[in-house]
Amino acid sequence: KNQVEQSPQSLIILEGKNCTLQCNYTVSPFSNLRWYKQDTGRGPVSLTIMTFSENTKSNRRYTATLDADTKQSSLHITASQLSDSASYICVVSDRGSTLGRLYFGRGTQLTVWP
Amino acid sequence: EADIYQTPRYLVIGTGKKITLECSQTMGHDKMYWYQQDPGMELHLIHYSYGVNSTEKGDLSSESTVSRIRTEHFPLTLESARPSHTSQYLCASSDPTLTGHTEAFFGQGTRLTV
Repeated sequence: KNQVEQSPQSLIILEGKNCTLQCNYTVSPFSNLRWYKQDTGRGPVSLTIMTFSENTKSNRRYTATLDADTKQSSLHITASQLSDSASYICVVSDRGSTLGRLYFGRGTQLTVWP
Repeated sequence: EADIYQTPRYLVIGTGKKITLECSQTMGHDKMYWYQQDPGMELHLIHYSYGVNSTEKGDLSSESTVSRIRTEHFPLTLESARPSHTSQYLCASSDPTLTGHTEAFFGQGTRLTV
């Protein structure tokens, strides 16, 4: 069964600190993995995409890693800001259907305190 | 910012009412989706469409129905709303990117309370 699991479920950190969010998946055949940021009451917005051949990718203060062998990904946030408070969702796309089927994790709820 | 819009943003209605949630996109995407998301939970696919006159049910059973008469519109209808329909409904559209990967763009969501 294709699944995406994220940890931790929730996380509280102080402003300026770093944090790392984890994503494990069993989706096969794998196409790509995206990290989305979802602010409360809004739709998810894509942060970064990882394909099979990519190990790490950075987007400003966000750095995503992918280990396709162990089917694990992480999202590292550097020097957190209050505006980073949101739900971070790991989304994996398969390669086996015309839909480009998306599988969603439950998300990690990040709260940044001043 | 993606050009996909949902209306209304918030809706509070009584049991038994018929409602239609609107979703429009101006990107010319063929694929459109409806997801249902309860607080703290993952997104569940309830309907999707490959294009005009194409609609399919998703993973999560839903009493709602959809139509795709025009490429840009993908409305979702509940004939008789019940308290169990209380949730957030997210609309998305996608097409393959230049690199061949699928990216989904999400609307702001409609928070429905019955």
